[in-house]
Amino acid sequence: SQKIEQNSEALNIQEGKTATLTCNYTNYSPAYLQWYRQDPGRGPVFLLLIRENEKEKRKERLKVTFDTTLKQSLFHITASQPADSATYLCALAPTNNNDMRFGAGTRLTVKP
Amino acid sequence: DTGVSQNPRHKITKRGQNVTFRCDPISEHNRLYWYRQTLGQGPEFLTYFQNEAQLEKSRLLSDRFSAERPKGSFSTLEIQRTEQGDSAMYLCASSLPAGQGGEKLFFGSGTQLSVL
Repeated sequence: SQKIEQNSEALNIQEGKTATLTCNYTNYSPAYLQWYRQDPGRGPVFLLLIRENEKEKRKERLKVTFDTTLKQSLFHITASQPADSATYLCALAPTNNNDMRFGAGTRLTVKP
Repeated sequence: DTGVSQNPRHKITKRGQNVTFRCDPISEHNRLYWYRQTLGQGPEFLTYFQNEAQLEKSRLLSDRFSAERPKGSFSTLEIQRTEQGDSAMYLCASSLPAGQGGEKLFFGSGTQLSVL
């Protein structure tokens, strides 16, 4: 069966450190993978998209890698801040984007 | 604010009642999605519209659920004969057409449904 697994339910780190979140998938051949941020009581907000032919994508303090052989994406937040505390969701979509599937998310807490 | 708007934000109902939620997407977006999210889980896909056509429905969408997008603009999601298991956050998202940035979904803040 198809699965999207995010490495842990919760991750606690100290301010200034790098947070690394993992997304593993099985029985998918995604054309691209996305990461979203979700705050309590709000809908997810798009952060980054990486395509199957891209190895790495960066945006400010965010970096995403995509290894289609390992079927894994890593999401990094460098120089983390308490404001980065949120749940981060990994999402996969087939080429036609009709049926985007989300992982359960990892709740990140950055402590001052 | 020109984001995705969902109403109501919260809905409390008794088991067996019918409820209807509304979603107003970003105006230039022709794609509209409904998702359901329970505590500690990611959003689960329910259904998807391109303009007024409902192109895909998840097996999660039982015959008690119906969604419409009559004029290709706003959409409604109705749940008939609600059950306690229907309690969840119902999220709407919209996107541009494929090939025009349609990969990125814009979500509303959701409607939190509680079935007593």
